[in-house]
Amino acid sequence: GAGVSQSPSNKVTEKGKDVELRCDPISGHTALYWYRQSLGQGLEFLIYFQGNSAPDKSGLPSDRFSAERTGGSVSTLTIQRTQQEDSAVYLCASSLAPSDTEAFFGQGTRLTVV
Amino acid sequence: AQSVTQLDSHVSVSEGTPVLLRCNYSSSYSPSLFWYVQHPNKGLQLLLKYTSAATLVKGINGFEAEFKKSETSFHLTKPSAHMSDAAEYFCVVRLYNFNKFYFGSGTKLNVKP
Repeated sequence: GAGVSQSPSNKVTEKGKDVELRCDPISGHTALYWYRQSLGQGLEFLIYFQGNSAPDKSGLPSDRFSAERTGGSVSTLTIQRTQQEDSAVYLCASSLAPSDTEAFFGQGTRLTVV
Repeated sequence: AQSVTQLDSHVSVSEGTPVLLRCNYSSSYSPSLFWYVQHPNKGLQLLLKYTSAATLVKGINGFEAEFKKSETSFHLTKPSAHMSDAAEYFCVVRLYNFNKFYFGSGTKLNVKP
């Protein structure tokens, strides 16, 4: 597609359930990022992929959070045993590798844990 | 160490008056700098970027930003605000040879009629 695609756009889940968020980056973009935007908060970095490997996962808030990327393309962010504080908009972005290029963002997945 | 500071969390201007959104960065390396805009319930859109070419960068919708290395600043300006400019603006740093984007805390711009 022309842009970064995220699905679902909205997800309501019960506390304690697992959720999977999907990101389909722009074709050819080797770098992929996950960010979290909570109400009243800025953008919180979660994890960065270069190809299929994640050289920086320093932002994952707990071991309930994990992410993978396959085929250098689609990425899945998984949150296990969701908690209410996980409620946020999860944003995915992709970019080309050189550092003078910008990131292109998806529309985000709004996760609500009830 | 590297960080991005947006000096104002909220800015309010009247339609037709100039806009100034301030951003300072700290970096030990030559950075690439970006401004993104986020309209309510919308995704992040790139306004403009600085990548070590001209220090005055022109972006979309009449926005400009000037890179001042001596002041470590990258302030965003627009000569005349429009109602449609009301949104949240993020200053972002990406360091040479690093791939993480560092976001400022955002500035919410309100435009009064």
